[in-house]
Amino acid sequence: EVQLVDSGGGLVQPGGSLRLSCAASGFIFSNYWMSWVRQAPGKGLEWVANIKEDGSEKYYVDSVMGRFTVSRDNAKNSLYLQMNSLRAEDTAVYYCARERSGCFDHWGQGTLVTVSS
Amino acid sequence: SYELTQPPSVSVSPGQTARITCSGDALPKQFAFWYQQKPGQAPVVVIYKDTERPSGIPERFSGSSSGTTVTLTISGVQAEDEADYYCQSADSSGTYLVVFGGGTKLTVL
Repeated sequence: EVQLVDSGGGLVQPGGSLRLSCAASGFIFSNYWMSWVRQAPGKGLEWVANIKEDGSEKYYVDSVMGRFTVSRDNAKNSLYLQMNSLRAEDTAVYYCARERSGCFDHWGQGTLVTVSS
Repeated sequence: SYELTQPPSVSVSPGQTARITCSGDALPKQFAFWYQQKPGQAPVVVIYKDTERPSGIPERFSGSSSGTTVTLTISGVQAEDEADYYCQSADSSGTYLVVFGGGTKLTVL
């Protein structure tokens, strides 16, 4: 059974940093693109970043470019999102998701990031 | 930046047909995907590659495509279908950026 478990969320002050993790199991992690998708409270879904199977390509939404870094460790079946210079508008539930032919076919349960002083 | 446009809300009575549209200039070139999200839960894909239905998704869910618009159709709507629905696709400019529509709240009256 495919499982994605998100962790690392919490309360952080504006300008601070946080590292999210996603632990994958039940599939060959190194065979798939992976993404981070976020959802601000009461708002819609927003794709944040993705990373190729071997980590050689990474893409970001404009609003996080230069502040967030997506990475993966295929030996540990894990996906990461390093978030720096956090802003109030980054407050959201962050989901990791597996990509299959452009589709997010499996999602983590999400982890809440709150940026507030 | 590339955008997908959905109506904010759709309301139907049980047993009726709900149609949710999603418009975007790149949709003739890129596949669209549809997700259902219920409160407090992660999204679930209900349609992929414009018209394909994943295993385990009821047959009443179907997808279609025409030009710059894709449509999610739910035939014989049931109370359990009340949820937010999002379309998703990608920019066709070669940047491989993913985009979601703003979401549609389906209310079953």
